[in-house]
Amino acid sequence: SQKIEQNSEALNIQEGKTATLTCNYTNYSPAYLQWYRQDPGRGPVFLLLIRENEKEKRKERLKVTFDTTLKQSLFHITASQPADSATYLCALQTNAGKSTFGDGTTLTVKP
Amino acid sequence: GAVVSQHPSRVICKSGTSVKIECRSLDFQATTMFWYRQFPKQSLMLMATSNEGSKATYEQGVEKDKFLINHASLTLSTLTVTSAHPEDSSFYICSAREGTSGEETQYFGPGTRLLVL
Repeated sequence: SQKIEQNSEALNIQEGKTATLTCNYTNYSPAYLQWYRQDPGRGPVFLLLIRENEKEKRKERLKVTFDTTLKQSLFHITASQPADSATYLCALQTNAGKSTFGDGTTLTVKP
Repeated sequence: GAVVSQHPSRVICKSGTSVKIECRSLDFQATTMFWYRQFPKQSLMLMATSNEGSKATYEQGVEKDKFLINHASLTLSTLTVTSAHPEDSSFYICSAREGTSGEETQYFGPGTRLLVL
C-alpha cells in the first residue's frame, strides 16, 4: 500500500544550524512533491513545490531535493531561527491533483 | 498569496445537531476545493474533493450522507456535518485550487475546530 514517512516526529536544533527533514515514500509515483508549514491550530501554509523531473529547488533559506530513485525528498532550512519552529508536512501529488500528506515533523529551533 | 477563509473558526454543538462549515476563496476563483480532517498529532486526511457545479468525490470510508458538501460557486464550498456525534469532533480544514492541471498550489483555510458534546 502507499506510504509516506517523515523522518521523525520531532527535531530539535540550535539556532543558526541547518535543519534537515526527510520525506520517504513507497508504492507511489508522484508528479509533484510539496512542503507545507503548519502552526498549532492553523491550516498548512504552502512553502515549495518540486516536480518529478527536478532535483532541487530553492527559496530564500529553504532548499528541497527530490530523488525519485530513492523515493525521497529532503527539506533544508539554513540559518534556522526560533521563528522557524513549526510542524512541516510533505505532500505527494499526482497529476489528478489529489494530495496525500505525511504525518509531519515538528521542528523546534532553540535560541 | 491567495487567501482562503473558513467560518466558523470553532464550534461547539450538542450530539445530534448539524453543523455547517463554509470555505471561501477570497481573491481567486477555485475550480476545485478539498476538505480534510485532522486529529491531534496526525496528518491531514482527505475527506472529499469538490468541483464547482458537480457532485463531490468522497474518499473511501467517508460517509457522503453524513458529510454533505456543496460547491455552489467558484468561491464557496460548504461542508455540513449532519447528526454530529462526539467522534466527529476534529479539526476540519478546506483548501482551494485555482486551476485543473494538478500542479497548482493548494491554499488552505485556517481550519474549523468542531467539538461535539
